[in-house]
Amino acid sequence: GDSVTQMEGPVTLSEEAFLTINCTYTATGYPSLFWYVQYPGEGLQLLLKATKADDKGSNKGFEATYRKETTSFHLEKGSVQVSDSAVYFCALSDRAAGGGADGLTFGKGTHLIIQP
Amino acid sequence: DAGVIQSPRHEVTEMGQEVTLRCKPISGHDYLFWYRQTMMRGLELLIYFNNNVPIDDSGMPEDRFSAKMPNASFSTLKIQPSEPRDSAVYFCASITPEASNEQFFGPGTRLTVL
Repeated sequence: GDSVTQMEGPVTLSEEAFLTINCTYTATGYPSLFWYVQYPGEGLQLLLKATKADDKGSNKGFEATYRKETTSFHLEKGSVQVSDSAVYFCALSDRAAGGGADGLTFGKGTHLIIQP
Repeated sequence: DAGVIQSPRHEVTEMGQEVTLRCKPISGHDYLFWYRQTMMRGLELLIYFNNNVPIDDSGMPEDRFSAKMPNASFSTLKIQPSEPRDSAVYFCASITPEASNEQFFGPGTRLTVL
């Protein structure tokens, strides 16, 4: 079955540091890939997505590139801020847009702590 | 749009009691998902509906769990009887895949079973 593996935290960085959160996946088809962010006490918000190989998703300074050859979708940001402190989830969906929908398969989440 | 609405936001109950969680999806979305989040198991899909019809309930942990979607704007997840190991945050999400494959999540219901 489908699975997502991401580095476990907590990951603690200083403000303005470079961030990488690794994510690799296993899927039978050609999944869409997502990064969701969860702030304390809130639900999940979509951060960025990519629907096919070599696509780069980006939002709020975060980027991730869909690498089919390495089955990876690593999240990066060049300079993190205290406000980026949250839990980040990598996820996949095996259904393409317009082809119905399926539940998301999530990684365990990475707790990111940014210190001033 | 108000987004996905869930109620209650917090629920504390005693073991053996019936618990009902509620969800209102985004208007026009034809898929609705229920997820459970725990520290041990992370986020798990419990069940999802398409046009109010349950499509896959293989994630429902036991017969104590049931879900319904009587119309396009309302769904319930019921646990009867509840047990302490059911303590978790339960999320509802909705999507209309013809427009996008992004699932929109509600704020969640934090359930504590004593």
